[in-house]
Amino acid sequence: DTEVTQTPKHLVMGMTNKKSLKCEQHMGHRAMYWYKQKAKKPPELMFVYSYEKLSINESVPSRFSPECPNSSLLNLHLHALQPEDSALYLCASSHSPPEQGLGQFFGPGTRLTVL
Amino acid sequence: SQQGEEDPQALSIQEGENATMNCSYKTSINNLQWYRQNSGRGLVHLILIRSNEREKHSGRLRVTLDTSKKSSSLLITASRAADTASYFCATASLGGGTSYGKLTFGQGTILTVHP
Repeated sequence: DTEVTQTPKHLVMGMTNKKSLKCEQHMGHRAMYWYKQKAKKPPELMFVYSYEKLSINESVPSRFSPECPNSSLLNLHLHALQPEDSALYLCASSHSPPEQGLGQFFGPGTRLTVL
Repeated sequence: SQQGEEDPQALSIQEGENATMNCSYKTSINNLQWYRQNSGRGLVHLILIRSNEREKHSGRLRVTLDTSKKSSSLLITASRAADTASYFCATASLGGGTSYGKLTFGQGTILTVHP
């Protein structure tokens, strides 16, 4: 299984809602990532987990809260988001350390709209 | 400013022609990777070239890396309509600490291959 899955595919939420994005991989990768991508822009790294521990937080606002319950799952909890947070949220995974030569495997993304 | 800058921003060619995209970066790197993204979807890892390599091939893809000029190029030969996508270079940081293994993406090149 060489796939990263993400749910939901689309999410519309109000600024007072709480929602979660989910990501799953079964490739035995021990590094998992969250990226945010705005239209016609490159992905921007948000968080990196290595061996289920948060290793990089790119100064992301606290309304985004990541969680890595186990080596296969990665969640992103959303609370009190702003309309400017609307974007494509991408999950990725890779071997850790990540430079083993195979790059990162990306999921299809969750298209988030904040009203 | 972005670590990776790509040119051209957009490239339009006919099927069968070759497509060349360039990427420049600013800091020392461990490796450089190229990814493809179809409209609104996840990224697909194409090829990785390490800092001590100068050229690499994979199928119709040829990547070069010039660390003295801090630049890389991606050549797609005999292009097909299915190659239509956005192409991003991404650099992996050299060194440890919180930047270990972090990927920074360039702005991307939008390639359109006309049948």
